[in-house]
Amino acid sequence: EAQVTQNPRYLITVTGKKLTVTCSQNMNHEYMSWYRQDPGLGLRQIYYSMNVEVTDKGDVPEGYKVSRKEKRNFPLILESPSPNQTSLYFCASSLSLNSGNTIYFGEGSWLTVV
Amino acid sequence: AQSVTQLDSHVSVSEGTPVLLRCNYSSSYSPSLFWYVQHPNKGLQLLLKYTSAATLVKGINGFEAEFKKSETSFHLTKPSAHMSDAAEYFCVVSDGAAYGNKLVFGAGTILRVKS
Repeated sequence: EAQVTQNPRYLITVTGKKLTVTCSQNMNHEYMSWYRQDPGLGLRQIYYSMNVEVTDKGDVPEGYKVSRKEKRNFPLILESPSPNQTSLYFCASSLSLNSGNTIYFGEGSWLTVV
Repeated sequence: AQSVTQLDSHVSVSEGTPVLLRCNYSSSYSPSLFWYVQHPNKGLQLLLKYTSAATLVKGINGFEAEFKKSETSFHLTKPSAHMSDAAEYFCVVSDGAAYGNKLVFGAGTILRVKS
C-alpha cells in the first residue's frame, strides 16, 4: 500500500530540546516536502527536496532543518524548538516535479512546544 | 506568483442539499489545481485535480469541480451532501517545476452538514 509515514504522531516537548520528526515513503518518489498547518492559514511549505542530497527552503524555513540522505526518508529537525513552532506538521511526497502528479500526505504530526 | 482564496471559511448545509465551496486563484502560468479534504485528526486526501485536460473534473465521493479560466475559479460542488462529508476542504494551486512544484494552499473551508 502506498504510504507516507510520519513519526511521532503526537509530541509535547520543552523549549530548546532538539527533536526530529521522521518521514518515510514507500513509493520511490523523488520529491518530498514538509508543511505546517496553522488555523486560518492553510498549509505552508517549510522545506522541499527534489531528490537525494537536494533540498531547498520553502516559505517558512526559519527554525527548521532537513536532510535527504536516502530517497525514502526526509526527516524534519527542530534544533531548538520554540513555542511558535507548536503546530500540525505534514510530510508529503510525489513522483517528480511534474505539476500534474498527485502529492501524497502523511497523517500529520501534532507538535506542542511548552 | 501563485495565491488561492477560499471565499468562505465555514459552510453549513443540510443533509441531502447541494454543496458549493468556492475557490479563486491567481497564477502566472497554466496552473494545476487540486481539492483536498481533511477529516478530523486525519491527513489530507486528494478529492480531485485539474491539469489542463477537461475543464469539468470529477472526483471521489460524488464531488466535482469546474475550471473557469476567465473567472480564475475552481469551485467544488456536490449535488447532495452526506453527513460523512463534514470536514475541512482545501483548494490548492501549483505552477509546477517553475516554482519548485510548491503547492499553495487556501486557508480552508470547514463544511458542516446538518441532519
